[in-house]
Amino acid sequence: DTGVSQNPRHKITKRGQNVTFRCDPISEHNRLYWYRQTLGQGPEFLTYFQNEAQLEKSRLLSDRFSAERPKGSFSTLEIQRTEQGDSAMYLCASSLPGRIHGYTFGSGTRLTVV
Amino acid sequence: KQEVTQIPAALSVPEGENLVLNCSFTDSAIYNLQWFRQDPGKGLTSLLLIQSSQREQTSGRLNASLDKSSGRSTLYIAASQPGDSATYLCAVYGGSQGNLIFGKGTKLSVKP
Repeated sequence: DTGVSQNPRHKITKRGQNVTFRCDPISEHNRLYWYRQTLGQGPEFLTYFQNEAQLEKSRLLSDRFSAERPKGSFSTLEIQRTEQGDSAMYLCASSLPGRIHGYTFGSGTRLTVV
Repeated sequence: KQEVTQIPAALSVPEGENLVLNCSFTDSAIYNLQWFRQDPGKGLTSLLLIQSSQREQTSGRLNASLDKSSGRSTLYIAASQPGDSATYLCAVYGGSQGNLIFGKGTKLSVKP
């Protein structure tokens, strides 16, 4: 297993377009998280899944954002009608369940909305 | 609401120096604390994970301590090298929120 994989690495899109990112977690990790990071800030929590169930969503996740993890394996994060304020690094992480396990992050997807 | 603060925001040191990065959190009811490294434009690399019952963790030239009751952690880097230049992020799990909450990071520059 090579860790958490995110695709694409970079995405440039025009304002108003829809974009979709993919995250493949470590195979034995049943928890998957999405975070967003803007320049000079720490990552901010967006949502998380345990298996295929989406258990928590941040207020940052507006109705233009949707995340899925249909078979409890990979996850997708879609942003509809992108805005310039959506430009950020989108990070995915996975972990084993329980309170003692750390998170493993992917390399992120850098989104630029022009 | 859990808040994580990292001081200083930026630090520049000459190669070979020992240094300490600081992290504080407002809600001491955490389960664990994780230190990460982030290179420019890249994802996060986990450095050390400290459970709430532990006082410190060590990995190579890195040592992280945790004082849960006072809401503080430090990351000690011995004999710094230019390759250590990166942003170091502290994150806590638990407290009033059940997900990993991050500070804004300390940007470290080690000059040759």
